Amino acid sequence: KAGVTQTPRYLIKTRGQQVTLSCSPISGHRSVSWYQQTPGQGLQFLFEYFSETQRNKGNFPGRFSGRQFSNSRSEMNVSTLELGDSALYLCASSLATGTPEDSPLHFGNGTRLTVT
Amino acid sequence: AQTVTQSQPEMSVQEAETVTLSCTYDTSESDYYLFWYKQPPSRQMILVIRQEAYKQQNATENRFSVNFQKAAKSFSLKISDSQLGDAAMYFCAYRRKTSGSRLTFGEGTQLTVNP
Repeated sequence: KAGVTQTPRYLIKTRGQQVTLSCSPISGHRSVSWYQQTPGQGLQFLFEYFSETQRNKGNFPGRFSGRQFSNSRSEMNVSTLELGDSALYLCASSLATGTPEDSPLHFGNGTRLTVT
Repeated sequence: AQTVTQSQPEMSVQEAETVTLSCTYDTSESDYYLFWYKQPPSRQMILVIRQEAYKQQNATENRFSVNFQKAAKSFSLKISDSQLGDAAMYFCAYRRKTSGSRLTFGEGTQLTVNP
């Protein structure tokens, strides 16, 4: 079974631009969540989507948005990029049923975004 | 708000020896989950071990075991017979029972394994 796939692996953007990151979950997984990892702030939860609906959101400005498609693939969009948005963005998927024993999070390798 | 603290930014261990990574957390919840994740240079977060708060028995996965002290809000990870492949950043994480996939992570501990 293929793992969680994130594309692209690396991205360089300029301040003010917008960017879209993609995440394909493990087949059959219906929940996709996104995390931002930076040296200063560590790992922070962005949001979670389940069955095309956002059901959890972290403390990030409205410039960060996401969506999930009917095939459970998810995209994350950041508009008006700032230097501080430079980070590793991790996507995780899970079955999202029952307890964590039934639905542990499976992470992708992340997208490294650099804003210049 | 829940917080997770890892007070050891770096740890090192000799191959085949045992090392313990520390984690404390703060929560007002009584039912929750705790996890240890490993992040090697490949960047992928890998689940090492998980513990349910209402289970008194400490979780064990092969060479990895935890010491869960609920009253003290402490959740340490013990790695026995350390191997070179154990070298990675280790994160302690907390999840409320009703928070879906929302994890709160600690700052991480960089583990070096010396041959």
